[in-house]
Amino acid sequence: EAGVVQSPRYKIIEKKQPVAFWCNPISGHNTLYWYLQNLGQGPELLIRYENEEAVDDSQLPKDRFSAERLKGVDSTLKIQPAELGDSAVYLCASSFGGRTGELFFGEGSRLTVL
Amino acid sequence: AQTVTQSQPEMSVQEAETVTLSCTYDTSESDYYLFWYKQPPSRQMILVIRQEAYKQQNATENRFSVNFQKAAKSFSLKISDSQLGDAAMYFCAGGSNYKLTFGKGTLLTVNP
Repeated sequence: EAGVVQSPRYKIIEKKQPVAFWCNPISGHNTLYWYLQNLGQGPELLIRYENEEAVDDSQLPKDRFSAERLKGVDSTLKIQPAELGDSAVYLCASSFGGRTGELFFGEGSRLTVL
Repeated sequence: AQTVTQSQPEMSVQEAETVTLSCTYDTSESDYYLFWYKQPPSRQMILVIRQEAYKQQNATENRFSVNFQKAAKSFSLKISDSQLGDAAMYFCAGGSNYKLTFGKGTLLTVNP
């Protein structure tokens, strides 16, 4: 069974440029999460989807960040424009559901903003 | 959990020895779950072990076990017979209703 797939693994951009990250969750997992992981820190939730609905986006900086999950499968996280402080690893995770379900993480997308 | 604290930024252990990683948490929830996740360098995070707060019995998964002290809000991870492959960043996490709070992590080094 394929795991959670993220791309790109690494991205280097100039500040004020846009960037997008893509995530393909494990087949059948209806819950999808985007986490932000700063260097030396644990992951912090940005947004959670139940199927195609964003049910928790309280921590998503909506002035520059946006996300979508079309058809309740793949998801894209976008930053526009990127700032220096956005340099971090963006983790996607999925779970089958149930509020205590185990999270399956992707390898992450490491963003460097110059 | 609203807060999760891992007070050991780094730990080291000799291969085949036992090591304990500490975690404390704070929550106002009555029903919550606690986890230990492992993140090897440049690899994805994977679940090591999970504990339901309503269960008194400590969870065990092969060489990994927890010491869950509910009153003290403590949730430590014990790794027995440490192996080189156990070297990784370990994150303690807690929460309920899909919302997990992660600690800052403990970097475990395993010395041959």
